[in-house]
Amino acid sequence: EAQVTQNPRYLITVTGKKLTVTCSQNMNHEYMSWYRQDPGLGLRQIYYSMNVEVTDKGDVPEGYKVSRKEKRNFPLILESPSPNQTSLYFCASSLAAGGGYNEQFFGPGTRLTVL
Amino acid sequence: GNSVTQMEGPVTLSEEAFLTINCTYTATGYPSLFWYVQYPGEGLQLLLKATKADDKGSNKGFEATYRKETTSFHLEKGSVQVSDSAVYFCALTLNNAGNMLTFGGGTRLMVKP
Repeated sequence: EAQVTQNPRYLITVTGKKLTVTCSQNMNHEYMSWYRQDPGLGLRQIYYSMNVEVTDKGDVPEGYKVSRKEKRNFPLILESPSPNQTSLYFCASSLAAGGGYNEQFFGPGTRLTVL
Repeated sequence: GNSVTQMEGPVTLSEEAFLTINCTYTATGYPSLFWYVQYPGEGLQLLLKATKADDKGSNKGFEATYRKETTSFHLEKGSVQVSDSAVYFCALTLNNAGNMLTFGGGTRLMVKP
């Protein structure tokens, strides 16, 4: 089954404790991205990757890191989480973003609470 | 910059009622427009899209028409079902910006039997 998986689905942590949220897709997609969803703000893009070893900042990258060492994986790293990073996080993937839009497929979400 | 504005929810309707969720946008170029749906506990799914003015996107009984003159992309359905209860997001991307989506704030729809 074609899918985007995220782990963990739920995480409660404390300020300053480094964490990683994993994202994996099995569709051989070049493009992957991370969003955070906050009430009333919709989804905002954190980082995206056009292909292996190619990453770039989205609209709200502060406090986050990513890496793309393999095509299928795109982990989101919070080196020193803070309470304002409490949010619902989504990973998405799609075929390469060329001149037009390719449908993005979203993972089920990771609900993060930073105390 | 680019932005998408949706009506705030929640929208509560009885089954078989008519649904309209308003969406307006501002864009620095010529956007493609989308509606995404998020069912409880799940990620977003593409519901419908339109890529140029006067296009009508449709899927699962939902429709939206790309209105360039009013910069709008309102979502409609003639007869909602309980299973349509979800959060609906309007979004845009510029045609030269690849896959970078700008989302509205989302509208929660609750349909009662």
